[in-house]
Amino acid sequence: NAGVTQTPKFRILKIGQSMTLQCTQDMNHNYMYWYRQDPGMGLKLIYYSVGAGITDKGEVPNGYNVSRSTTEDFPLRLELAAPSQTSVYFCASSDPGDRMWNEQYFGPGTRLTVT
Amino acid sequence: GESVGLHLPTLSVQEGDNSIINCAYSNSASDYFIWYKQESGKGPQFIIDIRSNMDKRQGQRVTVLLNKTVKHLSLQIAATQPGDSAVYFCAERHAGNMLTFGGGTRLMVKP
Repeated sequence: NAGVTQTPKFRILKIGQSMTLQCTQDMNHNYMYWYRQDPGMGLKLIYYSVGAGITDKGEVPNGYNVSRSTTEDFPLRLELAAPSQTSVYFCASSDPGDRMWNEQYFGPGTRLTVT
Repeated sequence: GESVGLHLPTLSVQEGDNSIINCAYSNSASDYFIWYKQESGKGPQFIIDIRSNMDKRQGQRVTVLLNKTVKHLSLQIAATQPGDSAVYFCAERHAGNMLTFGGGTRLMVKP
């Protein structure tokens, strides 16, 4: 299994531009998450999904949108990029039916800079 | 809102010594507390968790202690190795498997 994959690894955006961060998992996990991590800080939950067709806001959803049309994919959309969205973005997945369901599997991250 | 935080931002230890990383939490309703390790340039990786009705759990070279009276969580790493150098996060689990992460402690292992 490749686990959780994210693309791109790095991206520089100008203020006002839009982009989609891609996330795919091949573990057939129902739960997927998007976090952002600012320098020297912990992770903050942006959006999450408990299954295909279901999404919910996390702690810091403003400026972002998500969709979950399949179990495997959970893209994160930035519509009007702002400097405050400069961060490292992590996608994760987990399975509540898994014995180790406290374990969220993280992707390698996308480093986004908005200038 | 509820939060999870850490006492020490950086911990430097000698290779072979034991490490203790501390964390304070505020949400008494969390049912699990979890430790994650994040190496440079990578996503966080699960280390160990502890249920809220336990006070100690051991894994391979790691032990997590939970003191609910003072809302304190610690991660002990025995015989710390260079490969243990990373940032360590504590997290608390809410309903629906949502996690709230603390701010992180950087562990530096000196050879």
